[in-house]
Amino acid sequence: AQSVTQPDIHITVSEGASLELRCNYSYGATPYLFWYVQSPGQGLQLLLKYFSGDTLVQGIKGFEAEFKRSQSSFNLRKPSVHWSDAAEYFCAVGAESGGGADGLTFGKGTHLIIQP
Amino acid sequence: NAGVTQTPKFRVLKTGQSMTLLCAQDMNHEYMYWYRQDPGMGLRLIHYSVGEGTTAKGEVPDGYNVSRLKKQNFLLGLESAAPSQTSVYFCASRGDSRNQPQHFGDGTRLSIL
Repeated sequence: AQSVTQPDIHITVSEGASLELRCNYSYGATPYLFWYVQSPGQGLQLLLKYFSGDTLVQGIKGFEAEFKRSQSSFNLRKPSVHWSDAAEYFCAVGAESGGGADGLTFGKGTHLIIQP
Repeated sequence: NAGVTQTPKFRVLKTGQSMTLLCAQDMNHEYMYWYRQDPGMGLRLIHYSVGEGTTAKGEVPDGYNVSRLKKQNFLLGLESAAPSQTSVYFCASRGDSRNQPQHFGDGTRLSIL
């Protein structure tokens, strides 16, 4: 069965500093990987996705992520964070069976705090 | 651009009561999902549907039932609510291709007293 690990429960970053959120996955086949962001009281918004091809993917709001098969990682990065980036971030992998129909497996999330 | 709409947004129930959460999508998506989100647990899949008239169990299906009578609607039912079902419930939908992302609703916050 697939699994996703986000090692950092909380991360605090100063506004304007760079950011990296870690994600490690366990998956038997070619993974389909996603990063979602959730603001308080809101649903999940897709930041970016990886399916195949270029291992560095660009997303919305200035985010990017790099897929590293050898490390089973899909870390999210942003060169300069803004106060509005404070939110919960979830990494997810596409499910293995049923042609991928049976949902996503999510990590437990990383809570990002931005210091002024 | 409605996307995925969940009703209600908030609800408080007493133990043993029943209720139905409604999810509606206007994107003509085949696949629909119900997740629950609990603090420190991320999102966990309850049930899903790969098309009208079909449903299947996810990771945490016990205590829930679902129905997909119309393509655009996916209903989640609690027959006898328990405090352990206090959670935030999210519905999502996805197009035909596996590499398409899931689109999420804004959630239903449910408290069982």
